[in-house]
Amino acid sequence: AQSVTQPDIHITVSEGASLELRCNYSYGATPYLFWYVQSPGQGLQLLLKYFSGDTLVQGIKGFEAEFKRSQSSFNLRKPSVHWSDAAEYFCAVGGPSAGNNRKLIWGLGTSLAVNP
Amino acid sequence: EAQVTQNPRYLITVTGKKLTVTCSQNMNHEYMSWYRQDPGLGLRQIYYSMNVEVTDKGDVPEGYKVSRKEKRNFPLILESPSPNQTSLYFCASTTGPTLAEQYFGPGTRLTVT
Repeated sequence: AQSVTQPDIHITVSEGASLELRCNYSYGATPYLFWYVQSPGQGLQLLLKYFSGDTLVQGIKGFEAEFKRSQSSFNLRKPSVHWSDAAEYFCAVGGPSAGNNRKLIWGLGTSLAVNP
Repeated sequence: EAQVTQNPRYLITVTGKKLTVTCSQNMNHEYMSWYRQDPGLGLRQIYYSMNVEVTDKGDVPEGYKVSRKEKRNFPLILESPSPNQTSLYFCASTTGPTLAEQYFGPGTRLTVT
C-alpha cells in the first residue's frame, strides 16, 4: 500500500538550533517526493521536491532534504532554525505512474514550534 | 502574481443549505483538485480535474460536486451540507505532463451546524 509516515507529530526546537524532520514512504514505483510547509492560516507552499538525480536537494528558506532509497526516507533538514519557521510541515509522495490523477499521498504532518 | 484564490475564506452554514466554494487560478494550469484537511487524517483528495469538462472522483467524493466549465475556475459544490463536512478545504492546481509543484489556495474553513 502507498503511504507516507511522519513519525513526529510535534517537535519543539530552540531558535538557531538545527532541525531534522523525518519522512518515510512506501511506494511501489519510483517516487517523486515533496515537502510542503503550511504556516498558520495559510495554504501549503512547496519547500522542495525530488524527482531524480542528486539525492540531496535544496529548497527555499534554507531547507534541504536527502533521498535515501535504501531507507525509503526523505528527511528534511535545516542547519539553523528561525522563529518564522514555526509551521506545519508535510511530506508527500507521488510518481510518474500516477496516471491522470496527479494525486499526492500525504503524511499527517509535523508541527514545528520554535522557542526564542 | 501566480496564485490560487478561494472564496469564501470562512463560512458557517446550517445543515442542508447548498453552498459553493469558488476556486480560481491565473496560471493557465490544466490540472486542478480539491482537498479537505482534518486533524489526524491529513489531506484527502475530494475531486480533481484534468482540464475543462474533465473531472473525476478522488478519495472522498461523497457529498460533493464539482464542475470545470472554464480552465481557470473549479468550484466545489455542497448541495446538502452535513456536519461531517466541517473541515478546512484547499484548492490546488498544477501543470505539466508529470507531477510538478502544486499551487495551493489559502483554504476555506467551513463549519456546518
